Amino acid sequence: ETGVTQSPTHLIKTRGQQVTLRCSSQSGHNTVSWYQQALGQGPQFIFQYYREEENGRGNFPPRFSGLQFPNYSSELNVNALELDDSALYLCASSSGRDPTDTQYFGPGTRLTVL
Amino acid sequence: AQSVAQPEDQVNVAEGNPLTVKCTYSVSGNPYLFWYVQYPNRGLQFLLKYITGDNLVKGSYGFEAEFNKSQTSFHLKKPSALVSDSALYFCAVRAPNSGGYQKVTFGTGTKLQVIP
Repeated sequence: ETGVTQSPTHLIKTRGQQVTLRCSSQSGHNTVSWYQQALGQGPQFIFQYYREEENGRGNFPPRFSGLQFPNYSSELNVNALELDDSALYLCASSSGRDPTDTQYFGPGTRLTVL
Repeated sequence: AQSVAQPEDQVNVAEGNPLTVKCTYSVSGNPYLFWYVQYPNRGLQFLLKYITGDNLVKGSYGFEAEFNKSQTSFHLKKPSALVSDSALYFCAVRAPNSGGYQKVTFGTGTKLQVIP
């Protein structure tokens, strides 16, 4: 069984640029959630995708967007990068969107915005 | 709105001693509660969860947690700490009626330092 993988591991961008982060969900999982973890903080929920559709969103502006593909892998896109977007971005997959389902996290992508 | 509080930024414990990492929550309805551990520069690893039933939940690596509804707490425990348990621990809550999606609210984390 393959776990959740994310790419790239690290990324450096400048303010105003756009970035795409990628996530491959665990085998058999159809639900992917994205989280932002700022330094010294707990993860903050960005949004969730279930069977290729966004079905929940946290308090993040529209410049944070995503996609989920037929194989249930996912992308997080961030436009017009700001310095405060510097964080660890975590992807989590689960076998469904039931609140009791456990989310399994990838290792994260460390984004630095200069 | 749901929230989680981890009142201790850091917990220090001697190797071999029992450890407790505290967590309290606020949510409408019966909560679903989770503990995750994060090692440096790594993602979160699932330890255990409480959904319903027995208030004492056993998880990975010898950890357990006790759900206390009256105190709205879900403290993480281990009878004998190992140096390798040193890491950042996150408590998380999810409401049962989350609108069909899995918004999980995390605490700010507690750093556990096990001293040899």
